[in-house]
Amino acid sequence: KNEVEQSPQNLTAQEGEFITINCSYSVGISALHWLQQHPGGGIVSLFMLSSGKKKHGRLIATINIQEKHSSLHITASHPRDSAVYICAVRPNTGNQFYFGTGTSLTVIP
Amino acid sequence: KAGVTQTPRYLIKTRGQQVTLSCSPISGHRSVSWYQQTPGQGLQFLFEYFSETQRNKGNFPGRFSGRQFSNSRSEMNVSTLELGDSALYLCASSAWTSGSDTQYFGPGTRLTVL
Repeated sequence: KNEVEQSPQNLTAQEGEFITINCSYSVGISALHWLQQHPGGGIVSLFMLSSGKKKHGRLIATINIQEKHSSLHITASHPRDSAVYICAVRPNTGNQFYFGTGTSLTVIP
Repeated sequence: KAGVTQTPRYLIKTRGQQVTLSCSPISGHRSVSWYQQTPGQGLQFLFEYFSETQRNKGNFPGRFSGRQFSNSRSEMNVSTLELGDSALYLCASSAWTSGSDTQYFGPGTRLTVL
C-alpha cells in the first residue's frame, strides 16, 4: 500500500503549455514537499506546504488538507522544466518521509 | 554557504563486502537524513539523525546502519552487501527549525554491487 500516489506517471508537453501534477496521500501529515530531480540525480526541494498555496516564479503548489491532495502547476512550461517531480509527505506521527513514485515530465521545444 | 557534500560519488563493490558512505551537511544544519533510490522502489527513507541521535528509521534490515558525529557529519554503513543494494544513496540536511524542515539534498553516492 502506497501512502502517496502521484499522477500522471509520465507527461509530455509542448513548450508553453500549462502543466498539472497531482499527489494524493492517505495519512495525516504535518507537511508536504514537492521535489525536482534532474537527470544525473540531483534533487532540489521546490516547496514545503502545510496549507493553502505557494508560488515561486512559474511554479505554483496547492494543498487541500481535508481532501489529502496537492497539485503542482507549471505555467508557460519550458524544456528546462524537464525533470522528475516527486511528492513527499511528513506524517503527523513519526519523522520519516513517504515518497510518491514521481512524475517524469518532458517539455518539447 | 557550501551545499551538502557526499563522498564517494561512485562506488563499486562485490557481494558480501561492506561499504561506508559519508555526508557533510550544510554548515549549521543539525539534521541529516539518508535515502535510497532505486528504479523499482523509488525513493525510500533510511534514517534520520539529529544532534548525534537517530530520530527515526525506515524499513530496512539491520545491515543498514548509520551514525552522526558531533560536527553533524554523518556516515551510513551497509554490511554484507547484496545485489539489491545497488542504488543511489542520497543524504539531505535541514536546519530543523520550528515550522521549516526543508531538505537540502546532496548529489548522492551511486553504489553498484557486483
